[in-house]
Amino acid sequence: SQQGEEDPQALSIQEGENATMNCSYKTSINNLQWYRQNSGRGLVHLILIRSNEREKHSGRLRVTLDTSKKSSSLLITASRAADTASYFCATDAGTYKYIFGTGTRLKVLA
Amino acid sequence: ETGVTQTPRHLVMGMTNKKSLKCEQHLGHNAMYWYKQSAKKPLELMFVYNFKEQTENNSVPSRFSPECPNSSHLFLHLHTLQPEDSALYLCASTEAGEGTEAFFGQGTRLTVV
Repeated sequence: SQQGEEDPQALSIQEGENATMNCSYKTSINNLQWYRQNSGRGLVHLILIRSNEREKHSGRLRVTLDTSKKSSSLLITASRAADTASYFCATDAGTYKYIFGTGTRLKVLA
Repeated sequence: ETGVTQTPRHLVMGMTNKKSLKCEQHLGHNAMYWYKQSAKKPLELMFVYNFKEQTENNSVPSRFSPECPNSSHLFLHLHTLQPEDSALYLCASTEAGEGTEAFFGQGTRLTVV
């Protein structure tokens, strides 16, 4: 089944460092989204990148998309302790159908 | 606050109980979703409702029964659950159309004993 697979599964960095996490998927997509989840809470949308886009920025977030490799990356620059959360990519598997991966657990140490 | 409200936030139920999870959104969205999140597994899409019509049932056991009486409310009726059904159940909603942002509720943490 179509699914985003995030890599690494867990990442621990110092405050101020950059955090990079990757997502790979299996089939063609129209768009890819990244979400953040604080422990035991709902997911919050961060950014959407369409299949005809290669890079997108939002504040300290930078997302890239390589459709030839079926992969995307999320870069968080100058990380803060408050960025500690799990990050998920979601791909569209048809209208009204969003498929999520297992997520990357990011821990930012103060 | 995302505009999607789930109740209850926590639920403990026995395997013979019947309970319901509720989700409510007043964002004017037309599609609503139930996801199951278990530890170390991807979010599992369970059901999708689009304009109150069920458009997706992702091979979910019949002990989970969804109901969408209108475009603002979504229920998940639970009966004779198993301990492995313990998980965080998340509701989400989206506008109609492709590539729209999903708004999630805070989830219901369900424990089946």
